[in-house]
Amino acid sequence: GENVEQHPSTLSVQEGDSAVIKCTYSDSASNYFPWYKQELGKRPQLIIDIRSNVGEKKDQRIAVTLNKTAKHFSLHITETQPEDSAVYFCAAIKDGKTSYDKVIFGPGTSLSVIP
Amino acid sequence: DARVTQTPRHKVTEMGQEVTMRCQPILGHNTVFWYRQTMMQGLELLAYFRNRAPLDDSGMPKDRFSAEMPDATLATLKIQPSEPRDSAVYFCASGQGLNTEAFFGQGTRLTVV
Repeated sequence: GENVEQHPSTLSVQEGDSAVIKCTYSDSASNYFPWYKQELGKRPQLIIDIRSNVGEKKDQRIAVTLNKTAKHFSLHITETQPEDSAVYFCAAIKDGKTSYDKVIFGPGTSLSVIP
Repeated sequence: DARVTQTPRHKVTEMGQEVTMRCQPILGHNTVFWYRQTMMQGLELLAYFRNRAPLDDSGMPKDRFSAEMPDATLATLKIQPSEPRDSAVYFCASGQGLNTEAFFGQGTRLTVV
């Protein structure tokens, strides 16, 4: 069946360094790819998203790149800060407004930023 | 500040009991999701509704779980009978379609003993 793989499962970086998390999806019809950040004991919150007609999107220190041919997309965080420490989830969503729509989350990456 | 509201925040129940979780989506959102989060399985989509119609509940164990939207301001998730393996955090989220931001509630932490 369809799935989303996410790597690495844990990531430790020094404050100020960059962090990269990669997701691979199986359903080529997926057309929406959000990234959610979940701090300990809190709810997931969207940090950035990208649609299948776009290759890259940036928002300050956060960027997402999408390679539709290879079916993978990546989250890039630059100049990491301790408050970036959290679990990050990617998702691959197929929204065809039909009963075949799918929402699949990756298993998550626990990011620790060491001061 | 519009938010998704879930009740109860915590629930401890005995195996075999019925559990009902409630969610008030953000006004104007036409898509409502139910997710389950465990350490082992991560975030799993259980069911979602569009304009109150159930569109996909393939992630839900049908023999014991049921999800409904009696009206636009209320979504419910019921487990009957509950089992210890149902222990998890259940999140409700709402949005304006599948391909837009989903706003999550604070979750219901369910413990079945």
